Amino acid sequence: GQQVMQIPQYQHVQEGEDFTTYCNSSTTLSNIQWYKQRPGGHPVFLIQLVKSGEVKKQKRLTFQFGEAKKNSSLHITATQTTDVGTYFCAGHASGGSYIPTFGRGTSLIVHP
Amino acid sequence: GAGVSQTPSNKVTEKGKYVELRCDPISGHTALYWYRQSLGQGPEFLIYFQGTGAADDSGLPNDRFFAVRPEGSVSTLKIQRTERGDSAMYLCASSSGRVGYNEQFFGPGTRLTVL
Repeated sequence: GQQVMQIPQYQHVQEGEDFTTYCNSSTTLSNIQWYKQRPGGHPVFLIQLVKSGEVKKQKRLTFQFGEAKKNSSLHITATQTTDVGTYFCAGHASGGSYIPTFGRGTSLIVHP
Repeated sequence: GAGVSQTPSNKVTEKGKYVELRCDPISGHTALYWYRQSLGQGPEFLIYFQGTGAADDSGLPNDRFFAVRPEGSVSTLKIQRTERGDSAMYLCASSSGRVGYNEQFFGPGTRLTVL
């Protein structure tokens, strides 16, 4: 079945440093969604990418969808303590089930 | 407006017992999903409803798990003969429009502990 892998599993950064998490799928995806889960909270939708090579920005966050639609990345510039949480990607395979498969997530720890 | 709500927030039960977990989606959302999340893992799909019918139940681990959504709004996840391995956070999400392409709104979850 479809697998979505995320690396790294954990990332410690000093406040102000940049952060990147990568998402890779074993199959071509129709779209990719990104969610953030704060400690003790539930996943909250951040963004959706649909087109090959698409890049979207939300303030300090930059999301990319690969040309082959099999990988994606989330980059945060100049991290802040409010960025702490686990970032998940989720996607469903082209031509397959429409149910998104979530990655394991990358937990970001920001040290002040 | 009101988001997705789930009750109870915590449920502790003994091995072998039956439990019901409830999800109240956002009003008007036709799609409802149940996920299970273990510590350090992403949400694992269990079942998806479109309206009243279970459109995809391929994620249910075995026949001890069952879910209903009789009137197309509130849903109940039912687990029979609970096992310790069922302990996890159970998340419900709802969305509108085209499944797989729309934002999912998650509830706060029910933490199930099976002793």
